[in-house]
Amino acid sequence: DAKTTQPNSMESNEEEPVHLPCNHSTISGTDYIHWYRQLPSQGPEYVIHGLTSNVNNRMASLAIAEDRKSSTLILHRATLRDAAVYYCILRRSGGSNYKLTFGKGTLLTVNP
Amino acid sequence: DGGITQSPKYLFRKEGQNVTLSCEQNLNHDAMYWYRQDPGQGLRLIYYSQIVNDFQKGDIAEGYSVSREKKESFPLTVTSAQKNPTAFYLCASSRTANQISYEQYFGPGTRLTVT
Repeated sequence: DAKTTQPNSMESNEEEPVHLPCNHSTISGTDYIHWYRQLPSQGPEYVIHGLTSNVNNRMASLAIAEDRKSSTLILHRATLRDAAVYYCILRRSGGSNYKLTFGKGTLLTVNP
Repeated sequence: DGGITQSPKYLFRKEGQNVTLSCEQNLNHDAMYWYRQDPGQGLRLIYYSQIVNDFQKGDIAEGYSVSREKKESFPLTVTSAQKNPTAFYLCASSRTANQISYEQYFGPGTRLTVT
């Protein structure tokens, strides 16, 4: 399975945008990029996913590099409730696509 | 409200005892999953079920057992054969297991401590 690399931690101020990077240099053409986040002592929560084009939803935006070797999750205005571990996950169509393979993710701290 | 419930939130057991963790969903999802999370680590898949009366082993199934007799329920039993059972256990569901565009919905988790 293709691997992802994320910074261990990042810090942001409340009401400022946050850009969370993810490198996936061995991504294949059929790999979807998914993002989940996990608040302290809770189960993970789906954030967004995409294949090639940039994606927006009510929670965040996903910017995917043209060569797809990296992507960035964008939180437009961070709030204290956005403090969580953010996971970037690749899911390949076919084969063992049923499972989510979580790495260690990026711990986002939001300062008031 | 639709969602996944796990009970209890905290569970304490003595070594050598089997324990069953509950997971119920009212999302009408076909697929359900059990993951385990250790401190500072990502999630690892224990078992998953794509449909009622069917389930498959995940990456770390040894010492665990499951059943899927009803669509909405997927209980996990941690047996005495599991060498390091203390962990945070998460149940999830998705519409199907085969569509990677379908997100997985997670329950609040059960924190199991075995002493």
